[in-house]
Amino acid sequence: NAGVMQNPRHLVRRRGQEARLRCSPMKGHSHVYWYRQLPEEGLKFMVYLQKENIIDESGMPKERFSAEFPKEGPSILRIQQVVRGDSAAYFCASSPLAQSPDTQYFGPGTRLTVL
Amino acid sequence: KQEVTQIPAALSVPEGENLVLNCSFTDSAIYNLQWFRQDPGKGLTSLLLIQSSQREQTSGRLNASLDKSSGRSTLYIAASQPGDSATYLCAVAYNFNKFYFGSGTKLNVKP
Repeated sequence: NAGVMQNPRHLVRRRGQEARLRCSPMKGHSHVYWYRQLPEEGLKFMVYLQKENIIDESGMPKERFSAEFPKEGPSILRIQQVVRGDSAAYFCASSPLAQSPDTQYFGPGTRLTVL
Repeated sequence: KQEVTQIPAALSVPEGENLVLNCSFTDSAIYNLQWFRQDPGKGLTSLLLIQSSQREQTSGRLNASLDKSSGRSTLYIAASQPGDSATYLCAVAYNFNKFYFGSGTKLNVKP
Protein backbone atom coordinates (compact mmCIF):
# COMPACT_ATOMS: atom_id res chain seq x y z
CA ASN A 1 0.00 0.00 0.00
CA ALA A 2 1.75 3.13 -1.20
CA GLY A 3 1.83 6.07 1.13
CA VAL A 4 0.58 9.56 0.44
CA MET A 5 1.99 10.76 -2.85
CA GLN A 6 2.70 14.38 -3.69
CA ASN A 7 3.93 15.84 -6.92
CA PRO A 8 5.89 17.60 -7.96
CA ARG A 9 8.40 17.35 -5.14
CA HIS A 10 9.97 20.64 -6.16
CA LEU A 11 8.31 23.44 -8.08
CA VAL A 12 9.82 26.71 -9.25
CA ARG A 13 7.58 29.54 -10.40
CA ARG A 14 8.11 33.18 -11.28
CA ARG A 15 6.02 35.85 -9.62
CA GLY A 16 2.58 36.05 -11.19
CA GLN A 17 2.49 32.46 -12.44
CA GLU A 18 0.18 29.73 -11.20
CA ALA A 19 1.25 26.79 -9.05
CA ARG A 20 -0.63 23.49 -8.95
CA LEU A 21 0.25 20.99 -6.25
CA ARG A 22 -1.13 17.45 -6.35
CA CYS A 23 -1.81 15.00 -3.57
CA SER A 24 -2.88 11.37 -3.93
CA PRO A 25 -4.07 10.01 -0.58
CA MET A 26 -3.38 6.53 0.63
CA LYS A 27 -5.62 3.84 -0.83
CA GLY A 28 -8.94 3.80 0.98
CA HIS A 29 -8.49 7.27 2.48
CA SER A 30 -11.19 9.79 1.65
CA HIS A 31 -10.02 12.67 3.85
CA VAL A 32 -7.25 15.05 2.78
CA TYR A 33 -5.56 17.87 4.68
CA TRP A 34 -3.17 20.50 3.38
CA TYR A 35 -0.54 22.23 5.55
CA ARG A 36 2.04 24.89 4.77
CA GLN A 37 5.48 25.14 6.37
CA LEU A 38 7.36 28.39 6.06
CA PRO A 39 11.15 28.27 6.54
CA GLU A 40 12.17 27.58 10.14
CA GLU A 41 8.54 27.30 11.27
CA GLY A 42 6.08 24.55 12.13
CA LEU A 43 3.30 23.41 9.85
CA LYS A 44 0.16 25.51 9.62
CA PHE A 45 -3.20 23.98 8.71
CA MET A 46 -4.73 25.27 5.50
CA VAL A 47 -7.72 23.17 4.46
CA TYR A 48 -9.52 19.87 5.10
CA LEU A 49 -11.42 18.18 2.28
CA GLN A 50 -13.47 15.08 1.73
CA LYS A 51 -14.36 13.84 -1.72
CA GLU A 52 -16.06 16.73 -3.57
CA ASN A 53 -16.46 18.75 -0.35
CA ILE A 54 -14.46 21.37 1.50
CA ILE A 55 -15.04 20.75 5.20
CA ASP A 56 -12.78 23.33 6.83
CA GLU A 57 -10.87 26.02 4.98
CA SER A 58 -10.20 28.24 7.98
CA GLY A 59 -6.46 28.27 7.31
CA MET A 60 -6.61 29.20 3.65
CA PRO A 61 -5.66 32.71 2.57
CA LYS A 62 -8.77 34.47 1.30
CA GLU A 63 -7.30 35.29 -2.10
CA ARG A 64 -5.34 33.40 -4.76
CA PHE A 65 -5.55 30.02 -2.98
CA SER A 66 -8.05 27.27 -3.73
CA ALA A 67 -8.29 23.54 -3.13
CA GLU A 68 -10.33 20.69 -4.50
CA PHE A 69 -10.68 16.96 -4.07
CA PRO A 70 -12.72 15.60 -6.97
CA LYS A 71 -14.57 12.32 -7.05
CA GLU A 72 -11.82 10.88 -9.23
CA GLY A 73 -8.16 11.84 -9.15
CA PRO A 74 -5.87 13.62 -6.72
CA SER A 75 -6.51 16.59 -4.51
CA ILE A 76 -5.21 19.83 -6.01
CA LEU A 77 -3.95 22.91 -4.16
CA ARG A 78 -3.90 25.82 -6.58
CA ILE A 79 -2.09 29.11 -6.02
CA GLN A 80 -2.76 31.84 -8.53
CA GLN A 81 -0.44 34.78 -9.22
CA VAL A 82 2.24 33.51 -6.86
CA VAL A 83 4.33 35.94 -4.81
CA ARG A 84 7.67 35.40 -3.09
CA GLY A 85 5.94 34.95 0.25
CA ASP A 86 4.27 31.80 -1.09
CA SER A 87 7.65 30.05 -1.10
CA ALA A 88 7.25 27.22 1.38
CA ALA A 89 6.88 23.47 1.75
CA TYR A 90 3.31 22.30 1.26
CA PHE A 91 2.38 19.02 2.90
CA CYS A 92 -0.64 16.87 2.30
CA ALA A 93 -1.98 14.32 4.78
CA SER A 94 -4.74 11.76 4.49
CA SER A 95 -6.83 9.72 6.89
CA PRO A 96 -9.34 6.93 6.40
CA LEU A 97 -12.14 8.10 8.61
CA ALA A 98 -13.47 11.19 10.29
CA GLN A 99 -13.86 11.11 14.05
CA SER A 100 -11.49 8.22 14.49
CA PRO A 101 -8.35 7.89 16.58
CA ASP A 102 -6.34 7.20 13.45
CA THR A 103 -3.56 9.58 12.75
CA GLN A 104 -3.07 11.56 9.64
CA TYR A 105 -0.48 10.13 7.27
CA PHE A 106 1.75 12.77 5.73
CA GLY A 107 3.21 12.94 2.24
CA PRO A 108 6.79 14.02 1.47
CA GLY A 109 5.75 17.56 0.60
CA THR A 110 6.11 19.89 -2.37
CA ARG A 111 8.71 22.60 -2.03
CA LEU A 112 7.60 25.70 -3.88
CA THR A 113 10.14 28.37 -4.75
CA VAL A 114 8.91 31.65 -6.20
CA LEU A 115 11.56 33.65 -8.03
CA LYS B 1 -6.68 30.57 20.32
CA GLN B 2 -4.82 27.30 20.33
CA GLU B 3 -1.06 27.66 20.47
CA VAL B 4 1.66 25.04 20.68
CA THR B 5 5.11 25.95 21.95
CA GLN B 6 8.25 23.82 21.89
CA ILE B 7 11.30 24.34 24.04
CA PRO B 8 14.18 24.39 23.36
CA ALA B 9 14.26 25.54 19.75
CA ALA B 10 17.60 23.81 19.27
CA LEU B 11 19.61 21.29 21.24
CA SER B 12 23.09 19.88 20.75
CA VAL B 13 24.22 16.92 22.86
CA PRO B 14 26.99 14.32 22.79
CA GLU B 15 26.10 10.81 21.75
CA GLY B 16 24.74 8.61 24.52
CA GLU B 17 22.95 11.29 26.51
CA ASN B 18 19.35 10.98 27.60
CA LEU B 19 17.35 14.03 26.65
CA VAL B 20 13.92 15.60 27.03
CA LEU B 21 12.04 17.72 24.53
CA ASN B 22 9.17 19.84 25.79
CA CYS B 23 5.85 20.80 24.27
CA SER B 24 3.19 23.01 25.83
CA PHE B 25 -0.29 23.87 24.57
CA THR B 26 -2.73 26.55 25.67
CA ASP B 27 -6.04 24.69 25.43
CA SER B 28 -6.17 21.46 27.42
CA ALA B 29 -9.30 20.07 25.68
CA ILE B 30 -7.27 18.04 23.22
CA TYR B 31 -8.34 15.14 21.04
CA ASN B 32 -4.84 13.68 20.73
CA LEU B 33 -1.17 14.70 20.59
CA GLN B 34 1.48 13.41 18.25
CA TRP B 35 5.25 13.68 18.00
CA PHE B 36 6.82 13.73 14.53
CA ARG B 37 10.35 13.63 13.23
CA GLN B 38 11.34 15.74 10.22
CA ASP B 39 14.65 15.32 8.43
CA PRO B 40 16.00 18.22 6.32
CA GLY B 41 14.09 18.56 3.08
CA LYS B 42 11.94 15.58 3.88
CA GLY B 43 8.41 14.85 5.05
CA LEU B 44 7.15 13.95 8.49
CA THR B 45 7.58 10.61 10.20
CA SER B 46 5.13 9.83 12.97
CA LEU B 47 6.89 8.73 16.17
CA LEU B 48 4.24 8.48 18.86
CA LEU B 49 0.53 9.24 19.11
CA ILE B 50 -1.09 9.79 22.51
CA GLN B 51 -4.87 9.82 22.77
CA SER B 52 -6.44 12.28 25.20
CA SER B 53 -7.29 9.44 27.61
CA GLN B 54 -3.69 8.19 27.75
CA ARG B 55 -0.78 9.37 29.88
CA GLU B 56 2.13 8.03 27.88
CA GLN B 57 3.31 5.98 24.92
CA THR B 58 6.58 4.17 24.36
CA SER B 59 8.37 2.98 21.26
CA GLY B 60 11.91 1.67 21.57
CA ARG B 61 14.13 4.40 22.99
CA LEU B 62 11.33 6.95 22.81
CA ASN B 63 8.79 7.74 25.50
CA ALA B 64 6.17 10.46 25.24
CA SER B 65 4.08 11.64 28.18
CA LEU B 66 0.95 13.76 28.29
CA ASP B 67 -0.36 15.92 31.12
CA LYS B 68 -3.52 17.57 29.87
CA SER B 69 -4.23 19.49 33.06
CA SER B 70 -0.97 21.38 32.82
CA GLY B 71 -0.98 21.53 29.02
CA ARG B 72 2.33 19.75 28.62
CA SER B 73 3.90 16.84 26.80
CA THR B 74 7.47 15.61 26.88
CA LEU B 75 9.40 13.41 24.49
CA TYR B 76 12.14 11.45 26.19
CA ILE B 77 14.94 10.02 24.05
CA ALA B 78 17.18 7.50 25.77
CA ALA B 79 20.80 6.88 24.81
CA SER B 80 20.79 9.34 21.95
CA GLN B 81 22.57 8.47 18.68
CA PRO B 82 23.81 10.61 15.77
CA GLY B 83 20.99 9.13 13.67
CA ASP B 84 18.51 10.83 16.00
CA SER B 85 19.60 14.22 14.64
CA ALA B 86 16.51 15.82 13.11
CA THR B 87 13.78 18.33 13.92
CA TYR B 88 11.12 17.03 16.30
CA LEU B 89 7.64 18.45 15.94
CA CYS B 90 4.82 18.31 18.47
CA ALA B 91 1.29 18.48 17.05
CA VAL B 92 -1.99 18.80 18.95
CA ALA B 93 -5.43 17.93 17.57
CA TYR B 94 -8.55 19.45 19.13
CA ASN B 95 -10.86 17.52 16.87
CA PHE B 96 -10.48 15.17 13.96
CA ASN B 97 -9.96 18.02 11.54
CA LYS B 98 -6.47 19.32 11.95
CA PHE B 99 -3.25 19.47 13.91
CA TYR B 100 -1.72 22.56 15.49
CA PHE B 101 2.05 22.28 15.24
CA GLY B 102 4.83 23.72 17.33
CA SER B 103 7.86 25.24 15.61
CA GLY B 104 9.97 22.23 16.48
CA THR B 105 13.15 21.40 18.34
CA LYS B 106 16.19 20.96 16.13
CA LEU B 107 18.31 18.20 17.65
CA ASN B 108 21.95 17.57 16.86
CA VAL B 109 23.59 14.51 18.41
CA LYS B 110 27.36 14.69 18.11
CA PRO B 111 29.37 11.50 17.64
